[in-house]
Amino acid sequence: LAKTTQPISMDSYEGQEVNITCSHNNIATNDYITWYQQFPSQGPRFIIQGYKTKVTNEVASLFIPADRKSSTLSLPRVSLSDTAVYYCLVGDIGSADRGSTLGRLYFGRGTQLTVWP
Amino acid sequence: GAVVSQHPSWVICKSGTSVKIECRSLDFQATTMFWYRQFPKQSLMLMATSNEGSKATYEQGVEKDKFLINHASLTLSTLTVTSAHPEDSSFYICSARDDKYPTYEQYFGPGTRLTVT
Repeated sequence: LAKTTQPISMDSYEGQEVNITCSHNNIATNDYITWYQQFPSQGPRFIIQGYKTKVTNEVASLFIPADRKSSTLSLPRVSLSDTAVYYCLVGDIGSADRGSTLGRLYFGRGTQLTVWP
Repeated sequence: GAVVSQHPSWVICKSGTSVKIECRSLDFQATTMFWYRQFPKQSLMLMATSNEGSKATYEQGVEKDKFLINHASLTLSTLTVTSAHPEDSSFYICSARDDKYPTYEQYFGPGTRLTVT
């Protein structure tokens, strides 16, 4: 299982762009990179997922270099409501085969992002 | 987006009793569901993988006789904490993996706060 390393905490101000980098040196060929956001006493919320290069959706962008040993989550123009813990996960998303245990997600410590006014 | 519900959202029980937590995928089928536990200020810890129609797969160190998992249908998995003790007090979160190829995205429930007195 590929282990991930992220900064424990980051601070930003409203309106700024925030980039959170995650290292995953042992990423396997079948592994995808997924980022989740979690607010206190809530379940994690999916932000973005990618395999290589760049992925963009309505809330974030994910940059993955060619060697895939790291990835960067980019949040444009953060607001106070983006204050949360952000988790980077790496794993095989698996298949639809019954009985498969692929797709298990092992959460690291995550990055506490605090956005200040 | 896909929705996963959990019931109850919080529960208080006495030491020695059993508590059942339900996890439902509301608008998609989930052959595979996962159960996590999260202590205050800590990350999510994967407890077990639940597969519809088969036995659950437990992570190392998780007592299968204490945490009973049943995945009787493609939209429902239950976690029963048997003979609960105060140290079982935690935030329990489930996730359901959409069977839709190719992303097999996981959606998390809102969590269940268990307090054992």
